[in-house]
Amino acid sequence: DTGVSQDPRHKITKRGQNVTFRCDPISEHNRLYWYRQTLGQGPEFLTYFQNEAQLEKSRLLSDRFSAERPKGSFSTLEIQRTEQGDSAMYLCASSSIRRVTGEGYGYTFGSGTRLTVV
Amino acid sequence: DQQVKQNSPSLSVQEGRISILNCDYTNSMFDYFLWYKKYPAEGPTFLISISSIKDKNEDGRFTVFLNKSAKHLSLHIVPSQPGDSAVYFCAASRTGNQFYFGTGTSLTVIP
Repeated sequence: DTGVSQDPRHKITKRGQNVTFRCDPISEHNRLYWYRQTLGQGPEFLTYFQNEAQLEKSRLLSDRFSAERPKGSFSTLEIQRTEQGDSAMYLCASSSIRRVTGEGYGYTFGSGTRLTVV
Repeated sequence: DQQVKQNSPSLSVQEGRISILNCDYTNSMFDYFLWYKKYPAEGPTFLISISSIKDKNEDGRFTVFLNKSAKHLSLHIVPSQPGDSAVYFCAASRTGNQFYFGTGTSLTVIP
């Protein structure tokens, strides 16, 4: 297993176009997360899935954004009618269900897709 | 509203000495805390975690301390190595799913 894969690594698009990113999580992980990171900031939560169910969405996820995980494996994040403010690094992460160890756990992040809207 | 704050944007430390990275949070409901390391052009890499039932967790050269009353978290790296030079993010969560990240501290370890 090569970890969490994201495609493409970079995307330049014109304002108003639609873009779609793909994330392939670690195969045994049933939870998948999308975060966005802008320059000088930490990652900001967008949404997460447990298997194919989208369980939580941030208010950052406007109606132009849609995420899917149709078979509980890979996920896609689509942005419609892109705006310059959408320019950011989009990070995907995966994890297994939290182990009840009292010590917490961590996600595994992919390398991200850098979106530039011109 | 920044619920997790890392007030030091950068830190420089001599190789072999201790690096101490600090993090403050505002939400007393947070019960899981993580530290991540990030190199340029890569995603964040999980380093170490701690839950609110503990005040210390150690993994090799990395130790995380949690002071719940002060809502303060710190990461100690001993001894620091040049390969530790990276941006370090702390993150906190109430549910274990949505994590709130700080803005990061850029650590430079000088050989």
